[in-house]
Amino acid sequence: DTAVSQTPKYLVTQMGNDKSIKCEQNLGHDTMYWYKQDSKKFLKIMFSYNNKELIINETVPNRFSPKSPDKAHLNLHINSLELGDSAVYFCASSLRLATSTDTQYFGPGTRLTVL
Amino acid sequence: AQSVTQPDIHITVSEGASLELRCNYSYGATPYLFWYVQSPGQGLQLLLKYFSGDTLVQGIKGFEAEFKRSQSSFNLRKPSVHWSDAAEYFCAVGAMEYGNKLVFGAGTILRVKS
Repeated sequence: DTAVSQTPKYLVTQMGNDKSIKCEQNLGHDTMYWYKQDSKKFLKIMFSYNNKELIINETVPNRFSPKSPDKAHLNLHINSLELGDSAVYFCASSLRLATSTDTQYFGPGTRLTVL
Repeated sequence: AQSVTQPDIHITVSEGASLELRCNYSYGATPYLFWYVQSPGQGLQLLLKYFSGDTLVQGIKGFEAEFKRSQSSFNLRKPSVHWSDAAEYFCAVGAMEYGNKLVFGAGTILRVKS
């Protein structure tokens, strides 16, 4: 069973389009995250949600809008895609927010290419 | 704010040789430290973590790491590398007051030659 899954795995699209990436975790965790890994493999957090509530928003352009319909899902919607949005996006989850010793479990990533 | 430095972008070792990947962190209080591994085209897998207690931490796949507060380091080691260890390794620091976010280093690519 996949613990943290993301769809799609690859996404190729044109500049200006709107796209969504979906993430689901079946671990029963309370907290979910989105990370962006750029072309230099540098990983940086974008958002975190705890029980559907936004906790972290790391100065990400407001073209990026996370949506958490329930605590098992955290989707990422991106409007007006730009070339610089090309990256690998990772979803992650952890049991609780209250302690940062909890392991974060990562999904397989979504490689977004904007042409 | 926390920061993590992995000084080595690439490291090449021979199969069977020992390995040490360096990680230095910057954080005011006691950090929570993690090592993750990313195989090509895959997500990140946790190797080990430190948050308190014994400063020598054992992880999966025969890896260990030692927390040295005086050097602000959390280096990853393995006594004998296998070809399947070729991957990219990320050190990360977490802190509760930052909403449990992980701050990652830039990663070290490990190549294993036979």
